[in-house]
Amino acid sequence: EAGVAQSPRYKIIEKRQSVAFWCNPISGHATLYWYQQILGQGPKLLIQFQNNGVVDDSQLPKDRFSAERLKGVDSTLKIQPAKLEDSAVYLCASRRGSGGRWNEQFFGPGTRLTVL
Amino acid sequence: SQQGEEDPQALSIQEGENATMNCSYKTSINNLQWYRQNSGRGLVHLILIRSNEREKHSGRLRVTLDTSKKSSSLLITASRAADTASYFCATVPTSGSRLTFGEGTQLTVNP
Repeated sequence: EAGVAQSPRYKIIEKRQSVAFWCNPISGHATLYWYQQILGQGPKLLIQFQNNGVVDDSQLPKDRFSAERLKGVDSTLKIQPAKLEDSAVYLCASRRGSGGRWNEQFFGPGTRLTVL
Repeated sequence: SQQGEEDPQALSIQEGENATMNCSYKTSINNLQWYRQNSGRGLVHLILIRSNEREKHSGRLRVTLDTSKKSSSLLITASRAADTASYFCATVPTSGSRLTFGEGTQLTVNP
């Protein structure tokens, strides 16, 4: 089966500009996650969707970050305006189950964002 | 804040040797997972161990879990150059479903 797709793979922007990332999860996966991974650290959850509803966005900086998952499939993460500290790899992951906590998460290749 | 702390931060070994990485965490967990990340294949799930399990094997991987010490270890036997990667432990709490990653161990296997 095809994996989690993300685009773009790389993005360089100036601070205060806007940027958007796109994710297409594995077909049939109900749960979708966005993570931020700063260089040298582990991934940190930004937001979790179950189908098209938000389950956990407590760590999402809502003053500048937004995310949506229309029709419970693809998802977009937006940063507006970007700050220098937003430089990181943004990972999308999906999981088959909509309930339970056992299923592994499948990660996409990530988008490496550099804010200058 | 990160839940898990891996030890060591970096490990360099020769091909054929065993590699052991440790993870400590702070809160009660439902399960603990290990992931590998390299530039070629991204972040990949390796193994999951539930809180009521003490040891689990998968191929050359052996994971132990000690909930009384809030710690886990990942052993990779007969390491290969292709095992060179960052290894992360990640925990799921007893309440909630958020997967929280540690800082990772960078493993280098020299041919």
